[in-house]
Amino acid sequence: GQNIDQPTEMTATEGAIVQINCTYQTSGFNGLFWYQQHAGEAPTFLSYNVLDGLEEKGRFSSFLSRSKGYSYLLLKELQMKDSASYLCAVREGNNDMRFGAGTRLTVKP
Amino acid sequence: ETGVTQSPTHLIKTRGQQVTLRCSSQSGHNTVSWYQQALGQGPQFIFQYYREEENGRGNFPPRFSGLQFPNYSSELNVNALELDDSALYLCASSLTSEQYFGPGTRLTVT
Repeated sequence: GQNIDQPTEMTATEGAIVQINCTYQTSGFNGLFWYQQHAGEAPTFLSYNVLDGLEEKGRFSSFLSRSKGYSYLLLKELQMKDSASYLCAVREGNNDMRFGAGTRLTVKP
Repeated sequence: ETGVTQSPTHLIKTRGQQVTLRCSSQSGHNTVSWYQQALGQGPQFIFQYYREEENGRGNFPPRFSGLQFPNYSSELNVNALELDDSALYLCASSLTSEQYFGPGTRLTVT
């Protein structure tokens, strides 16, 4: 089996930086994804890491360490609209995508 | 807007019935994946279709089946519905690693 663990909830202040961690166990790693999901809406793609290191995309960055089974999503210059659930997902070699339960981020003024 | 559409938006069925959900992928995307998302949980992978063939399957029983058509649109069929099948069903289309999700079909089984 495969476990994907991420914090259930986080709170941060508008304009600040927040880091959402994700740890995983897998038998055949083939990529790690982060998605954003607003309440009542479908997930939207944020980032993809398959090699170790940092991927930067505007205000969002994602980091991967395959040896540690660890990733984080970094959100800078937080805006109120960033309040959402953030889903960490791992793809295995057989194309099976496993999602964590999501981290609900609340951005406060 | 991702260009991925799903129908119907909402559906109510009775336990034991069968249901078909539909997904139109984004233009040019040859891969469609289906997920089940219960309230407060992350999506659970059901299966993936690539060029009309099943290309990966999650831990769902055989009463969950699917099809992909030559235009890459897809159907999810669920037989012998159970109360626990009540969830949001999402499809996602892709050409490379990035998946684009449709708005989902909310299925309620009573």
